[in-house]
Amino acid sequence: GAVVSQHPSWVICKSGTSVKIECRSLDFQATTMFWYRQFPKQSLMLMATSNEGSKATYEQGVEKDKFLINHASLTLSTLTVTSAHPEDSSFYICSATGILAKNIQYFGAGTRLSVL
Amino acid sequence: LAKTTQPISMDSYEGQEVNITCSHNNIATNDYITWYQQFPSQGPRFIIQGYKTKVTNEVASLFIPADRKSSTLSLPRVSLSDTAVYYCLVGDKNQGGKLIFGQGTELSVKP
Repeated sequence: GAVVSQHPSWVICKSGTSVKIECRSLDFQATTMFWYRQFPKQSLMLMATSNEGSKATYEQGVEKDKFLINHASLTLSTLTVTSAHPEDSSFYICSATGILAKNIQYFGAGTRLSVL
Repeated sequence: LAKTTQPISMDSYEGQEVNITCSHNNIATNDYITWYQQFPSQGPRFIIQGYKTKVTNEVASLFIPADRKSSTLSLPRVSLSDTAVYYCLVGDKNQGGKLIFGQGTELSVKP
């Protein structure tokens, strides 16, 4: 199947700093990428959908100025958590899909963010 | 987006066949049914996808009745390593493939 790489896998930061998470599709062109967050023992919650070259579409309740998403190329999307606070601590997961991926979403391994 | 309903948890033993049924009464004509597996602290892994009837791959089978209001994921001869959360999702993959995750089924395989 298609491979999606997510980096870093784990990050610790101080409150008030910004953190960038990268999501790359390694063997296919990702026309659409998605960002999710997951709290312990809960399901994945969709945060936003991004299409290459256009602005991301955020789900209701997700602050677009807090979670900046850039999908600059067909293989890379980034999520920047700005001015992170302890309540932003969570597991962030990206997924990517494209025509060559048969429009199936393939997920990255996730990033554990801990804000102190 | 169609809502899905699955059992919260299931128990099984090694070597048994496990069937997890998902209800999606409001499935639309263009919707496909996709199942994912997730281990703790990992991203979901694609298992299988189907539109109607039966689909089989090297790890699972997916049974979809004619009315498509439900689907059943069948895992043959499970092992301890199949202990995970299984998600059933419904979405129109021709519309960007947006998926909304439900609560999933936590499968526990015992020796």
